[in-house]
Formats: sequence, C-alpha cells, structure tokens
Amino acid sequence: QITLKESGPTLVKPTQILTLTCNFSGFSLSTSGVGVAWIRQPPGKALEWLALIYWDDDKRYSPSLKSRLTITKDTSKNQVVLAMTNMDPVDTATYYCAHRPGRSDAFDIWGQGTLVTVSS
Amino acid sequence: SSELTQDPAVSVALGQTVKITCRGENLGNFYANWYQQKPGQAPVFVLSGENNRPSGIPDRFSGSTSRKIGSLTITATQAEDEAHYYCSSRDSSGNWVFGGGTKLTVL
Repeated sequence: QITLKESGPTLVKPTQILTLTCNFSGFSLSTSGVGVAWIRQPPGKALEWLALIYWDDDKRYSPSLKSRLTITKDTSKNQVVLAMTNMDPVDTATYYCAHRPGRSDAFDIWGQGTLVTVSS
Repeated sequence: SSELTQDPAVSVALGQTVKITCRGENLGNFYANWYQQKPGQAPVFVLSGENNRPSGIPDRFSGSTSRKIGSLTITATQAEDEAHYYCSSRDSSGNWVFGGGTKLTVL
C-alpha cells in the first residue's frame, strides 16, 4: 500500500524559504520510471503542478516557478524535499506530494496535503 | 500553449450521463488524466487515458482523448459523484499541467 505524507511549517514569513518534506512508503524511488511530484492548491483555486523528481534524479520544474524551486530526494530515507525561495502571500496554499507510477503520467496516490500560510 | 481549459461548472440530473471536457494543444499526443476532489479532501485519481481506472473507481467513469480534447464521462451519475474534477496532462516540454477544474453538481 502506497502512502505519502507532507510535513513542514504551517506559517512562513514573506521572503523566507519554505522547505517541505514528503515521507512515503510502499514504493521505492529507485524503481525505474517512478517519480514523486509536488502540486499545490491555493484556497478555493485550482491545482498547480510544481515539480517532479524521477527515480534517476532527473528533475522537472514548472517554468513559471523554476527559479524558486529545488526538489531533491533521499532514497534511503524514502523522502522527497521541496524548497521554495522568496515566499509571498500568493504562495499560500495546500501543498501535496503525489506518486507517479512508472507506467503512467498520472499521479495515482496523493498525500493528505499540508496548508502553508505566508504572512508577516 | 501548455494550458488545459475546462468548463468551470457542469450540472447533471441524478442517474443521467454527463461529459466533462478538457481542451489542450497536446492532448492526443498525451493522454488526459482525471482527478476527483471533494471539499476538504485531497484529489483522488479516477481515470487515465481511455479507460484506465484504478481499483475502487466504478466503471461508470470512462474517458477518451482525441483531437485536442479529453473527456471524462460519468454514466448513471450518483449523488456521491458531486465534486470538482481536474484534468492533467503533459506539455511539449515534458512538464505537467492541470486544467482549471470543473465543479460537477448533481441535481
């Protein structure tokens, strides 16, 4: 059974760096084709894909946020970390991590999400 | 363009069939994938491509992708199907993109 869970601060100040951790179980991020993505959703708004890291450490970023994002993995700890710099109130959102199976471009299992508020 | 466009809202009578659409330049090159989200909950993956449903998703959910349009069809719609539905796909750069979502109301 695949599970993912996000963790990190619930409140960050403008200009600070946000660091979120996705702890997962039930799969290995060293399996060919597998990836873990980060997706966010501002309150009352649509989903927005942020970044994905593949089993081979290939990384993809949203073009509009690429300069602010860094995604890394620790396969031995079953963790994926997302860092976002220069946080702004518009970045207030629920942040999800999700599993991308090797055979599909869908995100088949999602974490419960973590709400991050950006405010001074 | 890498955008995916969805109608903001759709309604359907209980027990009837509804089609939710997603328009994007790269659909056809890549499948549309569909997610259901109920208030206060994380999205749930319901369909990939044509009819690739994860276990637990009823077969009243079906899909198609052609000519830059992806569709999610729900037959014999149930009250529990009322939710937001989001499509996603890949763009020409290999990145992912989500549509703006469709709120489905079951009357």
